[in-house]
Amino acid sequence: DQQVKQNSPSLSVQEGRISILNCDYTNSMFDYFLWYKKYPAEGPTFLISISSIKDKNEDGRFTVFLNKSAKHLSLHIVPSQPGDSAVYFCAAYLAGGTSYGKLTFGQGTILTVHP
Amino acid sequence: DTAVSQTPKYLVTQMGNDKSIKCEQNLGHDTMYWYKQDSKKFLKIMFSYNNKELIINETVPNRFSPKSPDKAHLNLHINSLELGDSAVYFCASSPSAGGPYEQYFGPGTRLTVT
Repeated sequence: DQQVKQNSPSLSVQEGRISILNCDYTNSMFDYFLWYKKYPAEGPTFLISISSIKDKNEDGRFTVFLNKSAKHLSLHIVPSQPGDSAVYFCAAYLAGGTSYGKLTFGQGTILTVHP
Repeated sequence: DTAVSQTPKYLVTQMGNDKSIKCEQNLGHDTMYWYKQDSKKFLKIMFSYNNKELIINETVPNRFSPKSPDKAHLNLHINSLELGDSAVYFCASSPSAGGPYEQYFGPGTRLTVT
């Protein structure tokens, strides 16, 4: 029972174009979402996050959009650069007495940006 | 000055053996986690400790036992290793467990059970 899913295993984009990574979730009670980036042989690193009370958060080339009614979020990277090639994980957080910071992760999407 | 470090990076062992993975963070964080990345690539939380106290214990076999000697260290001991334990194990830390704080991950330990 995966509550967070990234249905595209991979995405290939040309340098300079937009990359759009998608994430779907099933638990409408999630109140915070995060994106992590992972290079080979390294651990995931935090990229950007969004609260469930917002529909957009922007940080430089990275923008995350949240559509609560569709239980869907997306990460936009504009313009894409070869250094952005990595695995991108979507994660969700459920506040509450017993969650204690627990993050629920998707399975990741491999982004390849071609020069 | 690695923030979250894990040892070993690779671990190859036979079924039935007992092994440990060590994790240390120098960020001064109160909370540490163990995640398992399975063959389907999902990162799933196993345990979390806050100031040496176990606060998250997901449905993990009893063969897995975390130990936190102090808040900067969280080790994972696995008894009677099975083939299905083969995975990448990530340690992480965050300032506290009280919110959706950014978690800092170690580089992972690739465990292969033969």
